[in-house]
Amino acid sequence: AQKVTQAQTEISVVEKEDVTLDCVYETRDTTYYLFWYKQPPSGELVFLIRRNSFDEQNEISGRYSWNFQKSTSSFNFTITASQVVDSAVYFCALTNFGNEKLTFGTGTRLTIIP
Amino acid sequence: DTEVTQTPKHLVMGMTNKKSLKCEQHMGHRAMYWYKQKAKKPPELMFVYSYEKLSINESVPSRFSPECPNSSLLNLHLHALQPEDSALYLCASSLLHGGGRSTDTQYFGPGTRLTVL
Repeated sequence: AQKVTQAQTEISVVEKEDVTLDCVYETRDTTYYLFWYKQPPSGELVFLIRRNSFDEQNEISGRYSWNFQKSTSSFNFTITASQVVDSAVYFCALTNFGNEKLTFGTGTRLTIIP
Repeated sequence: DTEVTQTPKHLVMGMTNKKSLKCEQHMGHRAMYWYKQKAKKPPELMFVYSYEKLSINESVPSRFSPECPNSSLLNLHLHALQPEDSALYLCASSLLHGGGRSTDTQYFGPGTRLTVL
């Protein structure tokens, strides 16, 4: 069985602050993929990143960065210098070899206050 | 271009109506998905098509009938829905499906907001 936990239901920060969204996962497999998706109020899920279990390098893309730590089964997402356009629900998700489905976390609603 | 389109954007229907949702992608993907998402919940998988064949049906009621006429198009036919079926219906596609590989990365469309009266 696999599981994704996003303990932060809602977060509000003032614009330009940094914010970290937590994601903890459970899986028995050694080969798996982790994802982050963004869902703005319009509804579309926007793919942000995919990370495979063999690659623990952190990744940075502009103001976004991801910290993958297998030792703590975490895949956290940090937004630096947040902007109002970052307001959305963010989902962490997991799929593993032999499992044909994406397992989503419950999502974190991020509100950036101008 | 990672674009999945869905029509209509909004749909209001009565419980006796028959309607269809449409999803299209031109990325050469061979797997397509239907998800249902209720407010403040993550998406729930309904159906998966792989190479135009139904691969997964998550025990969805028969009032939802999927169809994959070709590799670019996915429909969801709706009939005799209930008010609790009101939700956001999301379509997604991926290059391939099954095995948890990078080619399984799913790209989502903007969704259809369905209201059943």
